[in-house]
Amino acid sequence: GESVGLHLPTLSVQEGDNSIINCAYSNSASDYFIWYKQESGKGPQFIIDIRSNMDKRQGQRVTVLLNKTVKHLSLQIAATQPGDSAVYFCAENHGNNRLAFGKGNQVVVIP
Amino acid sequence: NAGVTQTPKFQVLKTGQSMTLQCAQDMNHNSMYWYRQDPGMGLRLIYYSASEGTTDKGEVPNGYNVSRLNKREFSLRLESAAPSQTSVYFCASSIGTLSISNQPQHFGDGTRLSIL
Repeated sequence: GESVGLHLPTLSVQEGDNSIINCAYSNSASDYFIWYKQESGKGPQFIIDIRSNMDKRQGQRVTVLLNKTVKHLSLQIAATQPGDSAVYFCAENHGNNRLAFGKGNQVVVIP
Repeated sequence: NAGVTQTPKFQVLKTGQSMTLQCAQDMNHNSMYWYRQDPGMGLRLIYYSASEGTTDKGEVPNGYNVSRLNKREFSLRLESAAPSQTSVYFCASSIGTLSISNQPQHFGDGTRLSIL
């Protein structure tokens, strides 16, 4: 499949370790945030979302943390697996149900 | 349940040719979106439709037109293709409306378009 990004920040992680992917957002008025996973040749896949009235939300093997003070969002993946290798995007709401996407972070899982 | 379906998956055009990219969703979603994805640029919104019968410009609308044919379908047209429009195009949909805010968007698998 084609590369979805050139020169993306890359996180290399050993299989079984935890991964942390970080994202800085721009709009202090944003009240909704999403993390997407994109595998090569596929469309972005919804992972987890969080509203600004929360600091933390957990899903299956994933946790999103929101720090509104410093406008920072992170995605934690527990016990990273080879299938977690992908590009991860954060997105913030941009009004009228539109989203503004970050440029993405590449995660490479080392078996 | 197919979700969001885009056709075609691949297309090569010559400069100046026209083309319509098709998108359909079967989730009874209200809003639909067209994005382009270029290396190192992330996803950029071209046009969106907040409800059947309405369309609005996004971040990069120049050179494109859209039609919200019905609630299920949202097409993107390139009237006169240019090499700068070589990209991967993604369609997305969301249950969100003006009264149902902050809902995730769900994406198709894209159309890879090359313009020579």
